[in-house]
Amino acid sequence: DAGVTQSPTHLIKTRGQHVTLRCSPISGHKSVSWYQQVLGQGPQFIFQYYEKEERGRGNFPDRFSARQFPNYSSELNVNALLLGDSALYLCASSLATGGSTEAFFGQGTRLTVV
Amino acid sequence: EDQVTQSPEALRLQEGESSSLNCSYTVSGLRGLFWYRQDPGKGPEFLFTLYSAGEEKEKERLKATLTKKESFLHITAPKPEDSATYLCAVQAWGNNRLAFGKGNQVVVIP
Repeated sequence: DAGVTQSPTHLIKTRGQHVTLRCSPISGHKSVSWYQQVLGQGPQFIFQYYEKEERGRGNFPDRFSARQFPNYSSELNVNALLLGDSALYLCASSLATGGSTEAFFGQGTRLTVV
Repeated sequence: EDQVTQSPEALRLQEGESSSLNCSYTVSGLRGLFWYRQDPGKGPEFLFTLYSAGEEKEKERLKATLTKKESFLHITAPKPEDSATYLCAVQAWGNNRLAFGKGNQVVVIP
């Protein structure tokens, strides 16, 4: 069974540019969450989507946005990139929301902003 | 705000030397506490979910326990392949996010 897949695996962007990261959840999972992990820190929550609706938003600026598609895949968009946006971006999928179900993570997208 | 503090930050163990990792948490109503393993440059791998104080779960050389204020991850007779960063996270009722600690970086020396 395929796990959570993220693309691309690595990305280098210049300050001020825009980036789109993609995530496909585990088959049957309807909830997708995005996390940012800076080197040496634990993951920080950015967004959660369930059934194409935003169900949670972390303390990130409006430059960060996301959406979920009818097939439950998701995109994370970041505008006007800053050096501080360099991080490992993680996507996690879970069966549902509203209950304490396990979240399974993808391998992440390593974003470097230069 | 939910908070998770993990200690020690880094730990070097000889192969076979058992030890415990600590995760202290404050949360407004615990829905679940999660342990993950993360290898360098990779995404976290799910290990355990604990829901209530007194609960214990085991997987191979790992055993996780939970009290009302903290969780422990016990590593029994570790092997070099147990070297990784172990992340602890909590989820509160009425909240869909996981709040993570910084992790416990474990190195097991042959």
